[in-house]
Amino acid sequence: GQNIDQPTEMTATEGAIVQINCTYQTSGFNGLFWYQQHAGEAPTFLSYNVLDGLEEKGRFSSFLSRSKGYSYLLLKELQMKDSASYLCAVPLTNTGFQKLVFGTGTRLLVSP
Amino acid sequence: DVKVTQSSRYLVKRTGEKVFLECVQDMDHENMFWYRQDPGLGLRLIYFSYDVKMKEKGDIPEGYSVSREKKERFSLILESASTNQTSMYLCASSQRLAGALSSYNEQFFGPGTRLTVL
Repeated sequence: GQNIDQPTEMTATEGAIVQINCTYQTSGFNGLFWYQQHAGEAPTFLSYNVLDGLEEKGRFSSFLSRSKGYSYLLLKELQMKDSASYLCAVPLTNTGFQKLVFGTGTRLLVSP
Repeated sequence: DVKVTQSSRYLVKRTGEKVFLECVQDMDHENMFWYRQDPGLGLRLIYFSYDVKMKEKGDIPEGYSVSREKKERFSLILESASTNQTSMYLCASSQRLAGALSSYNEQFFGPGTRLTVL
């Protein structure tokens, strides 16, 4: 079976750094996705990791440790617009249709 | 600009009604997905399709059916709506995976349909 765990909610201050963790248990591993979802909107793709290590993309970075079944999303220089839910997802297969299993998401509240 | 559109943003239906939710993508993607999103439960896959006329059950297919007659369009059907199907419904599409280790096919989501069944 598959299991993905994320904290339900986090709070942080504008300008700070926040780390959102995700742990997963899957039979087989085919990478890990992070999506951002603002309230009332569609999820949008942030990052994909399949190899261990840190992938940096501007203010956002994503880290993966396959041996620990662990990933985190690091958000630097937080802005108010970063208030959103962050969804961790793992694909079940590496076939053409990559069915995803999502965590329940972490709601991040950024305050002034 | 990639685009996935859904027929309605908000929909109110009565118990027992047949409900059609339409999704259209303009990216020539092979894969299309229907999810529902509920507080505390996250996104759950209802059905997906990897080609025209092909469909596969997701994790929670009971009470739903789908149709994919054209590549760009994927419809979700609630045969007889019930109150426990009140939810946010999200459609997504993605390309077929290329096959290399580091390749991936991100899913592009539509804006969602908030369905209320009374």
